[in-house]
Amino acid sequence: GQQVMQIPQYQHVQEGEDFTTYCNSSTTLSNIQWYKQRPGGHPVFLIQLVKSGEVKKQKRLTFQFGEAKKNSSLHITATQTTDVGTYFCAGVGTTDSWGKLQFGAGTQVVVTP
Amino acid sequence: GAVVSQHPSRVICKSGTSVKIECRSLDFQATTMFWYRQFPKQSLMLMATSNEGSKATYEQGVEKDKFLINHASLTLSTLTVTSAHPEDSSFYICSARAINSADTQYFGPGTRLTVL
Repeated sequence: GQQVMQIPQYQHVQEGEDFTTYCNSSTTLSNIQWYKQRPGGHPVFLIQLVKSGEVKKQKRLTFQFGEAKKNSSLHITATQTTDVGTYFCAGVGTTDSWGKLQFGAGTQVVVTP
Repeated sequence: GAVVSQHPSRVICKSGTSVKIECRSLDFQATTMFWYRQFPKQSLMLMATSNEGSKATYEQGVEKDKFLINHASLTLSTLTVTSAHPEDSSFYICSARAINSADTQYFGPGTRLTVL
């Protein structure tokens, strides 16, 4: 079945530095979504990527969808303490009619001032 | 917009009792709702997919008789954990997909279940 791998599992970042989290699917995806979960909270939708090679930006966050629609990345520049949380990628398979999300393991981000 | 509520937010129950968790889409109609389970510091594990007016589809390894799902309307789905045991203690999160939402799911705040 479809599997979504995400690395790294943990990311310690100095405030002001950049970092990237990567997501790879074992199968081609219809779309990929990114969510952020703060400690003690629930996942909050960040963005959805649908097109091959798509790049979207949200302020300091840059999201990319690979040409083969099997991988994605999230790059955060000038990290702030508000970026603390776990970032999940989640993919929807091309054969799925209900939009079921297969979540990656998540990247837990800790920011040191 | 796209707000999903869950009730209760926390519940503590005795082993052997049943617990019902409600998931509501407050400002949109949800054709499909999903139920997830999340253990501490782990990812979300999809338990089942529920469509309004039809039986839920359960993921492999999830017991249908243990986790009863009802999707009675386009804004309400319920998950009942029957005869709960301590190993059922977890964070249960629902999500809802709006009509014509292109697969975007909106998550509820979650329910933390503790079974004593």
